[in-house]
Amino acid sequence: QQQVKQSPQSLIVQKGGISIINCAYENTAFDYFPWYQQFPGKGPALLIAIRPDVSEKKEGRFTISFNKSAKQFSLHIMDSQPGDSATYFCAATFPNAGGTSYGKLTFGQGTILTVHP
Amino acid sequence: GAGVSQSPSNKVTEKGKDVELRCDPISGHTALYWYRQSLGQGLEFLIYFQGNSAPDKSGLPSDRFSAERTGGSVSTLTIQRTQQEDSAVYLCASSFLGGPDTFGSGTRLTVV
Repeated sequence: QQQVKQSPQSLIVQKGGISIINCAYENTAFDYFPWYQQFPGKGPALLIAIRPDVSEKKEGRFTISFNKSAKQFSLHIMDSQPGDSATYFCAATFPNAGGTSYGKLTFGQGTILTVHP
Repeated sequence: GAGVSQSPSNKVTEKGKDVELRCDPISGHTALYWYRQSLGQGLEFLIYFQGNSAPDKSGLPSDRFSAERTGGSVSTLTIQRTQQEDSAVYLCASSFLGGPDTFGSGTRLTVV
């Protein structure tokens, strides 16, 4: 119930292409779905996040698509660049009792993205 | 500083010893989180502090693990009687609202 399944494990894309990473969850109580980007030797950094009241959120070249009925969400990276090469993690959680924070994230296993020049 | 600061960056310790890991969050952030990252287990939640509320300790794997946050700022994660399975990168994050947005670079703990 707490798992978040992420695919693919690794992805190779040519510069300018579209990178797509998918995640699926089981727990219908989840209502906050962030994506993180991690470079080697660094901690993860929040990239973009979505709540289930919208089906899509776009920030620059990064878009989250959310399908509540299928319990799936995905990250699309448009015009992928070599600098996007990193590990990407999806996550899911529900708020604390006070509804003010989302501290207890359940992470997917990560996708290693390589963008070739 | 501009980001979350963790120290030490690397720690090698002998099995059975106690270790303390430190996290300095971004000034003004009310929430502080500890996670750990290992090859086998991925990213795992350990504990988080939100303002003056009681911390959510539900991710601590055993009673050998404890954490405190003094004065609503700096946090220390303590692991007693370390075991080899404790070897991982321990990550700290902070935020004002919502979930963790800024993680530090972590402390790589190796138990030999």
